[in-house]
Amino acid sequence: TQLLEQSPQFLSIQEGENLTVYCNSSSVFSSLQWYRQEPGEGPVLLVTVVTGGEVKKLKRLTFQFGDARKDSSLHITAAQPGDTGLYLCSGKYGGATNKLIFGTGTLLAVQP
Amino acid sequence: DVKVTQSSRYLVKRTGEKVFLECVQDMDHENMFWYRQDPGLGLRLIYFSYDVKMKEKGDIPEGYSVSREKKERFSLILESASTNQTSMYLCASSTLTGASPLHFGNGTRLTVT
Repeated sequence: TQLLEQSPQFLSIQEGENLTVYCNSSSVFSSLQWYRQEPGEGPVLLVTVVTGGEVKKLKRLTFQFGDARKDSSLHITAAQPGDTGLYLCSGKYGGATNKLIFGTGTLLAVQP
Repeated sequence: DVKVTQSSRYLVKRTGEKVFLECVQDMDHENMFWYRQDPGLGLRLIYFSYDVKMKEKGDIPEGYSVSREKKERFSLILESASTNQTSMYLCASSTLTGASPLHFGNGTRLTVT
């Protein structure tokens, strides 16, 4: 069974602080995605990374795919209350069908 | 924008009832998925479908079945609901190509009493 572990599970910080969320696996993924889910809504895609070592930036969010394509990190600079939500990583592995597995999620609360 | 619509936001059913969860997408996506989301367990794949009348089991198919008679509609069926099926159910769709993202509905929170 493929597994994706996220850490930390919960994070409560003050507005303006920086934070990093990690997503780790023993498996190699062909691509990895990060989603954010707000209360009462479904997850929404933030970014897709496909190349080992790839770094992508989305405003204050920086995403990195590990060189071996087994892990990823999400770094948020100067967090704002609007960043509050559940962050999920998901990895695509092998096969012809678009099958993803999801991490357990990191619940982030940014206090004003 | 892709829209994935789940027919109910909240459902309360009794143990043993047959339950239908409906999902419709409007972007002609080939793939459709049903996940359940539980605290601490993330999203777990129940079933997915990559074409009309085609279905494949995900990681936790026991107690569930699915139907895809039309490309835009993917139904999840609980043949005999049990209390351990109380959960948030999320439907998603995507295209077949590459690292295409999943587009999710807003979920159905099912409570089985």
